[in-house]
Amino acid sequence: DAKTTQPPSMDCAEGRAANLPCNHSTISGNEYVYWYRQIHSQGPQYIIHGLKNNETNEMASLIITEDRKSSTLILPHATLRDTAVYYCIVRAISGSARQLTFGSGTQLTVLP
Amino acid sequence: SQTIHQWPATLVQPVGSPLSLECTVEGTSNPNLYWYRQAAGRGLQLLFYSVGIGQISSEVPQNLSASRPQDRQFILSSKKLLLSDSGFYLCAWRRTGGDYGYTFGSGTRLTVV
Repeated sequence: DAKTTQPPSMDCAEGRAANLPCNHSTISGNEYVYWYRQIHSQGPQYIIHGLKNNETNEMASLIITEDRKSSTLILPHATLRDTAVYYCIVRAISGSARQLTFGSGTQLTVLP
Repeated sequence: SQTIHQWPATLVQPVGSPLSLECTVEGTSNPNLYWYRQAAGRGLQLLFYSVGIGQISSEVPQNLSASRPQDRQFILSSKKLLLSDSGFYLCAWRRTGGDYGYTFGSGTRLTVV
């Protein structure tokens, strides 16, 4: 799986958009970009994933650059409950069952 | 709908004692099952995964073992716990094939004293 790079921490004001970047410059054509988050002392929670088109669901939007070497997770109106570690992961759709490697993620702190 | 159950939520065990953590999945069949561990302030480390009953793949050599006696049951065990086994243990499942995401359980916080 391709390696990802994320900033270790970010702050965001409550009610504002939180934009979390991720670099995956070695991504392959068959690899998806997944985002998970982990609220303190809980299991990781799936947020969104995409291949090359931008994606949106009830939780967030995922913007993938045209060359697919980076992506941005957008939480449109951050709340205090969005404070968590956010993980960006790339994984091949045809990858073996083992492949979900978490990096160190970005600690997002939403400030009141 | 699919749900994943993991218990107990917290556990304090003495060094040298045995361990058994259980994870069950409901609402799906033939899932891929995973055990992860997260040490304090660290990332998630894949310990074991299983693609079917009785099929276990180990990622990290250690004094832990895993078993899958039934399609939707995944058990993490140890005969003798070490202090270094302390951590947050997470079970996860995923549908076989495709671009499905992973669903994690609520975790077990194990403290070995």
